[in-house]
Amino acid sequence: DTGVSQDPRHKITKRGQNVTFRCDPISEHNRLYWYRQTLGQGPEFLTYFQNEAQLEKSRLLSDRFSAERPKGSFSTLEIQRTEQGDSAMYLCASSLRGISSYNEQFFGPGTRLTVL
Amino acid sequence: SQQGEEDPQALSIQEGENATMNCSYKTSINNLQWYRQNSGRGLVHLILIRSNEREKHSGRLRVTLDTSKKSSSLLITASRAADTASYFCATEARMDSSYKLIFGSGTRLLVRP
Repeated sequence: DTGVSQDPRHKITKRGQNVTFRCDPISEHNRLYWYRQTLGQGPEFLTYFQNEAQLEKSRLLSDRFSAERPKGSFSTLEIQRTEQGDSAMYLCASSLRGISSYNEQFFGPGTRLTVL
Repeated sequence: SQQGEEDPQALSIQEGENATMNCSYKTSINNLQWYRQNSGRGLVHLILIRSNEREKHSGRLRVTLDTSKKSSSLLITASRAADTASYFCATEARMDSSYKLIFGSGTRLLVRP
């Protein structure tokens, strides 16, 4: 257990439905990342928050995807009008960047999304 | 898109043998990290090597970094069945203010009892 939690762990939905995932990072970590991982591939970066500010979004993040991190604590990732191609594992990670630290990211267990 | 490639894609060894995995990447980096992922689960951080370091050890793990060749290797010594997992290298690109990680495609390691 890395201290990063994600909910739900599994989600099965029908095409066209909206889904929302939650990530709770390690409490003192100011950076939060979302990645997506498809079968047999490494994770791919989706978006990044520093505190409550969303500072970068990948071109993988279409306009059907939205992420928030209110108050700089937990984060949500919402997918609207899901498509079968959205089926993947969605991973959340957090890190604390300090003067002498390097960016070790701690990953949650992931949310596996299946779109039927 | 993936930052780099890992080699081999799959590796099967006998318990007690050493396992070596290689990673190549494309851009200048701040650091390179190795992660392990058990089937269908989250990633566990194994080791981080900075761009000014050439070798690092942690328990049975040994990581090397050659920035001139843009490559790294992970050596697991005296492997155990519990080491069976997928191993990913990930790079933090220099001049990237987000410090996001760019992952390779991974090596699937099977350690036979």
